[in-house]
Amino acid sequence: QVQLVESGGGVVQPGRSLRLSCAASGFTFRSDDMHWVRQAPGKGLEWVAFIWSGGNYEYYEDSVKGRFTISRDNSKKKLYLEMNSLRVEDTAVYYCVRGMSGTGWAFDSWGQGTQVTVSS
Amino acid sequence: QSVLTQPPSVSGTPGQRVSISCSGSRSNIGSNTVNWYQQLPGTAPKLLIYRNNQRPSGVPDRFSGSKSDTSASLAISGLQSEDEADYYCAAWDDSLSGVTFGGGTRLTVL
Repeated sequence: QVQLVESGGGVVQPGRSLRLSCAASGFTFRSDDMHWVRQAPGKGLEWVAFIWSGGNYEYYEDSVKGRFTISRDNSKKKLYLEMNSLRVEDTAVYYCVRGMSGTGWAFDSWGQGTQVTVSS
Repeated sequence: QSVLTQPPSVSGTPGQRVSISCSGSRSNIGSNTVNWYQQLPGTAPKLLIYRNNQRPSGVPDRFSGSKSDTSASLAISGLQSEDEADYYCAAWDDSLSGVTFGGGTRLTVL
């Protein structure tokens, strides 16, 4: 079955960087679009970034543009989120998410999430 | 403040039918399909409805979705205690060039 396992979260000071990873298994990773979605403590869901299956097309939520970079290594079946210039408001659980093929941005598989805390 | 507007909370008794609304605009719901997610306490979200009214395999037919113009709705019939969760609508927004979620609705089964 589809499995997405995030890692790399932790506590970091404002202005510093962090790199999240997501290991995928149970499906043809190279064929599927992938996303990161986050959820701040006690808050709702917020879409963060998207990368096309081929890896050469990306979209970002406005507040992370220029600071976050989504990437993937299809040979390793891994998704990444490079987060720079982190802010307190980036504190959240970050979910690695698979885009459901042909559905117009439906997210059909979610990881368990990794906690990122930005605090001085 | 979310681009898609949902009521913060709804409630119902076991066996009852409840609905959750999601109001948007021409650039999101008016132009694109709507998806719904269920998030049980302490767990990752789960896809409940996609393309406005389609259920992934394994989702009971007690859950149904609909869309009209710039609004969408999730209905849950035969309410059960295990339906107590947060529910989110989402859609692509052409103006934002990104996916936007509603603020979420907490369903309480009384």
